[in-house]
Amino acid sequence: AQTVTQSQPEMSVQEAETVTLSCTYDTSESNYYLFWYKQPPSRQMILVIRQEAYKQQNATENRFSVNFQKAAKSFSLKISDSQLGDTAMYFCAFMKGLGSGYALNFGKGTSLLVTP
Amino acid sequence: KAGVTQTPRYLIKTRGQQVTLSCSPISGHRSVSWYQQTPGQGLQFLFEYFSETQRNKGNFPGRFSGRQFSNSRSEMNVSTLELGDSALYLCASSPGTGGDTQYFGPGTRLTVL
Repeated sequence: AQTVTQSQPEMSVQEAETVTLSCTYDTSESNYYLFWYKQPPSRQMILVIRQEAYKQQNATENRFSVNFQKAAKSFSLKISDSQLGDTAMYFCAFMKGLGSGYALNFGKGTSLLVTP
Repeated sequence: KAGVTQTPRYLIKTRGQQVTLSCSPISGHRSVSWYQQTPGQGLQFLFEYFSETQRNKGNFPGRFSGRQFSNSRSEMNVSTLELGDSALYLCASSPGTGGDTQYFGPGTRLTVL
């Protein structure tokens, strides 16, 4: 079974600063997908960014970027120019690329607080 | 396109009762997945339906069941409710092919008394 580990239960960053959230995973699969979702206090799960394992280029979405290190099985999320609206729980998730059915396997999450 | 909708948003039941939760996916999406979120266990996969067939199942007891209709809408049923079933139940939809991004609904908050 694949395991996803987020080693930072809580983090805090000041507005306009940069913060990096860590995620490691364990798998024997060669083809898979990785995601970061955010869950603000409203509890709505929102996709932040997605990475295909076969792509060497790190994904970016505006202020959000990832550092994907396949050999190290590491998938960290960098948030630049942090905004108050970035305050949320952030979940790293893994999805196998083969087989019938595609389930997301989530980490325990990192609670991020952005302060003025 | 309209997002994923879930009804009801909040539900209070007592032990031993059963409950049915509903999920309407994004138009055109054929896969619906269900997840349970609790403070202790985090986010856990329940099951996935694709074209009215259960395609994948997590490690939950048989009290948890689901189905999907021809219009891709899905329902999840929990029978003989236990206190530990209190959770946020999240539904997610995707087109249904490998590696698709799953888009989540707002969730149904179930409280079992």
